[in-house]
Amino acid sequence: GQNIDQPTEMTATEGAIVQINCTYQTSGFNGLFWYQQHAGEAPTFLSYNVLDGLEEKGRFSSFLSRSKGYSYLLLKELQMKDSASYLCAAPVSGGYNKLIFGAGTRLAVHP
Amino acid sequence: KAGVTQTPRYLIKTRGQQVTLSCSPISGHRSVSWYQQTPGQGLQFLFEYFSETQRNKGNFPGRFSGRQFSNSRSEMNVSTLELGDSALYLCASSLSGVQTDTQYFGPGTRLTVL
Repeated sequence: GQNIDQPTEMTATEGAIVQINCTYQTSGFNGLFWYQQHAGEAPTFLSYNVLDGLEEKGRFSSFLSRSKGYSYLLLKELQMKDSASYLCAAPVSGGYNKLIFGAGTRLAVHP
Repeated sequence: KAGVTQTPRYLIKTRGQQVTLSCSPISGHRSVSWYQQTPGQGLQFLFEYFSETQRNKGNFPGRFSGRQFSNSRSEMNVSTLELGDSALYLCASSLSGVQTDTQYFGPGTRLTVL
C-alpha cells in the first residue's frame, strides 16, 4: 500500500528556521510534491523532488532521500504569513495524475 | 494566465438532494482531477479526467460521478447527498496528466449538507 506521514502541528518563531518532515511508503516512486495551504484557501505548489538531494527556492528548500523514504521542507527566515498547512504528496504508481496526500502539518509562526 | 476556477464557491444543500460542481482548468491543461478535503480525512482523490475520459477513480461510492467536456472543463455530481458529504471539493488541473506533472488547484467549492 501507500502511506504518507507528517507531524500534525509545529510552532516556530518569526525569523527562525523550521524543518517539516515527511516519510512515505509507495509501491513505485515518481517523486514527491510539497504544497502550502492557508486556511480556507486552495493548496499552492511549492516544490517537486524526484532525485535525491536538496533543492532550494528562495526561503524554501526541499530535500529527498529515496533510499530512506524521507523528505523534508525547510523554511528559513520565517514570516507570519508562513503560518499555514504544509502538505506532502506522492503520485500513485500507475495512477496517472492521482496524488496521495499526507494529513498535512499545521505550522504556527509566532512573533 | 488565469488559474483554475471553480463554481460555485459555496453551496448549502439538504440530505437527499443532488449537487453539480464545475471546474475550469488552466488554459491548455487537459487533465482535471477532483479531491475531497475534510478535517478528519484530509485530501482524498475522487477521480481524474483526461480528454473526456475518466482514467482513475478513488474509493468513493457511485453517488459521486463526473465528466469532462471537449474544452477540458469538468463537472462533478453528487447524488442523494449525505451529511458526511460536507467538505471542501477541490479540482486541480495539469498539462498532460502524467504522474510527474504538477497539479494546480482551484479555490474549491465548500459544500454544506444539512
